[in-house]
Amino acid sequence: DAGVTQSPTHLIKTRGQQVTLRCSPKSGHDTVSWYQQALGQGPQFIFQYYEEEERQRGNFPDRFSGHQFPNYSSELNVNALLLGDSALYLCASSLDSRGAYEQYFGPGTRLTVT
Amino acid sequence: QKEVEQDPGPLSVPEGAIVSLNCTYSNSAFQYFMWYRQYSRKGPELLMYTYSSGNKEDGRFTAQVDKSSKYISLFIRDSQPSDSATYLCAMSHGLSGAGSYQLTFGKGTKLSVIP
Repeated sequence: DAGVTQSPTHLIKTRGQQVTLRCSPKSGHDTVSWYQQALGQGPQFIFQYYEEEERQRGNFPDRFSGHQFPNYSSELNVNALLLGDSALYLCASSLDSRGAYEQYFGPGTRLTVT
Repeated sequence: QKEVEQDPGPLSVPEGAIVSLNCTYSNSAFQYFMWYRQYSRKGPELLMYTYSSGNKEDGRFTAQVDKSSKYISLFIRDSQPSDSATYLCAMSHGLSGAGSYQLTFGKGTKLSVIP
């Protein structure tokens, strides 16, 4: 059973550019959450998608947007990249009914903004 | 004050020692408490979760929650070099009807188990 997968593994972008990160949830999961983890910090919640809609958002600007597809996979888009956006971006999947305590993370995409 | 506080360490112990990892929190609405293990350059791996107060044991790992003190702990018995990783505590409201379960994490404690 494949776990949560993310692509790409690493990405280097320039300030002002736009980036799209992708996530495939664990088989059978219907909910996808995105987190940003800066070096030496715990993950911070960006937003959560369920039934192809964003249903909760953390304290992140509108430059961060996302999408969920009918097969439950998801994308995270970041526009007008800033140096401070350099981080590990993590996708977590869950069953909606168990999302309060069973979120499974992918390996992450390491984004470097120069 | 951050919602979840966790001593970042680093914590270094000899193989076979008992390890105690702790977090404190300020938001009394948290109902679910999780511990994740994160190896270098990997995603967090769910170790165990606890609902409300009490203890939960899984092999060499024991999680404790004291909601009256807003304090949670993870104990690792007979620690092994393979336990060397960063341990993250996480919490959620799990509000029924809200439908969304945002996790709030501590900064993580870096643990090294020395052979």
